[in-house]
Amino acid sequence: DSGVTQTPKHLITATGQRVTLRCSPRSGDLSVYWYQQSLDQGLQFLIQYYNGEERAKGNILERFSAQQFPDLHSELNLSSLELGDSALYFCASSPGLGLQETQYFGPGTRLLVL
Amino acid sequence: DAKTTQPNSMESNEEEPVHLPCNHSTISGTDYIHWYRQLPSQGPEYVIHGLTSNVNNRMASLAIAEDRKSSTLILHRATLRDAAVYYCILRDEGYGGSQGNLIFGKGTKLSVKP
Repeated sequence: DSGVTQTPKHLITATGQRVTLRCSPRSGDLSVYWYQQSLDQGLQFLIQYYNGEERAKGNILERFSAQQFPDLHSELNLSSLELGDSALYFCASSPGLGLQETQYFGPGTRLLVL
Repeated sequence: DAKTTQPNSMESNEEEPVHLPCNHSTISGTDYIHWYRQLPSQGPEYVIHGLTSNVNNRMASLAIAEDRKSSTLILHRATLRDAAVYYCILRDEGYGGSQGNLIFGKGTKLSVKP
């Protein structure tokens, strides 16, 4: 158990809909990261937040957005969903920003868009 | 794109050592070498990291070439639980706008035979 929790575990929705994925980082961790894992693209970094502020962006679509709240939990919002958005979404956390720091990954949310 | 090259797959026998290679010929002086693994149906898990010197922890050893253009993850006695995809990742502050985030390649799928 990494200490990172994600809800829900599974989500089934239809094209065009909007969903919100939630992540609670390990206690004390200030950085939160979101990753997408699909069969054809592998594991891709989406976005990072540090202490409530957006820190870095990866391959995140404009239809996706995220935020980190004062209690440090984070939400990833996916809108106008398409079939290709079906994937595993992982959240990770780390204490800070150092290159030596370990990222601790949650169990993921499996999203299926029908 | 990932800056590392790994074999797609490797096989090992249980209780034998495993050497997982990684080439990173374009590594810069400030890049840290990180290894993560992903067991089936789980989020990635930190294994080990290093900069210049060889490193040991309870999970594995990391041997870094003198010129740092390659490294090897060593599992001293493979168990069935070590069957996973192993990712070798370079972390650099300014790489591709990721600001030190984990850029995953395809990794090496390790199979362990009883």
